[in-house]
Amino acid sequence: DIQLTQSPSFLSASVGDRVTITCRASQGISSFLAWYQQKPGKAPKLLIYAASTLQSGVPSRFSGSGSGTEFTLTISSLQPEDFATYYCQQLNRNPSITFGQGSRLDIK
Amino acid sequence: QLQLQESGSGLVKPSQTLSLTCAVSGDSISSGGYSWSWIRQPPGKGLEWIGYIYQSGSAYFNPSLERRVTMSVDRSKNQFSLRLTSVTAADSAVYFCARGKLYYYDSGAYYFDYWGRGTLVTVSS
Repeated sequence: DIQLTQSPSFLSASVGDRVTITCRASQGISSFLAWYQQKPGKAPKLLIYAASTLQSGVPSRFSGSGSGTEFTLTISSLQPEDFATYYCQQLNRNPSITFGQGSRLDIK
Repeated sequence: QLQLQESGSGLVKPSQTLSLTCAVSGDSISSGGYSWSWIRQPPGKGLEWIGYIYQSGSAYFNPSLERRVTMSVDRSKNQFSLRLTSVTAADSAVYFCARGKLYYYDSGAYYFDYWGRGTLVTVSS
């Protein structure tokens, strides 16, 4: 399997801060990466696909970059509703679609 | 607006079979370019892809689960289903169904743009 490792696993920040989460793949995956936001008791919500394409309806303060083995999700100015857990996902089924372990973003 | 809704047994005994159904509304499950997935999340833990099925009935599974997993699709009811056999406590989780959107033609790569709310399945005697 392609392993995805997110860092940090936990972070705390304040409203208005710029935050970056990194996702590293155990082998190159081109731009076959998506990012999701999950709040407690809710299903994940798609934020970004193809490493950097913003899903329709997602605020522009979210952005993604990277290719190959290193990817980042950036929130340019944190809003209260952004405190959640974020997951990366590699898209290819061969041999299995996989997710990162998650990065929990808490209010400082 | 596409909606997905999971249903099925919330409590399953060890060694028995877990059965869940995902009802799709707002679009036909036969629409091209999509796969239909099951993804699970043990309490307090991360996400694990179980597998997906196409409207044709062909399916792909996570190798770690494929010996115990079957999926089916019922186009007439616009729904798809999951069966997981020989369950243990490690299979206790919230189970989500989701639509996979194709990254680009013939890539076999999907991201999940619509999700159900999830249903908690507990394996316990």
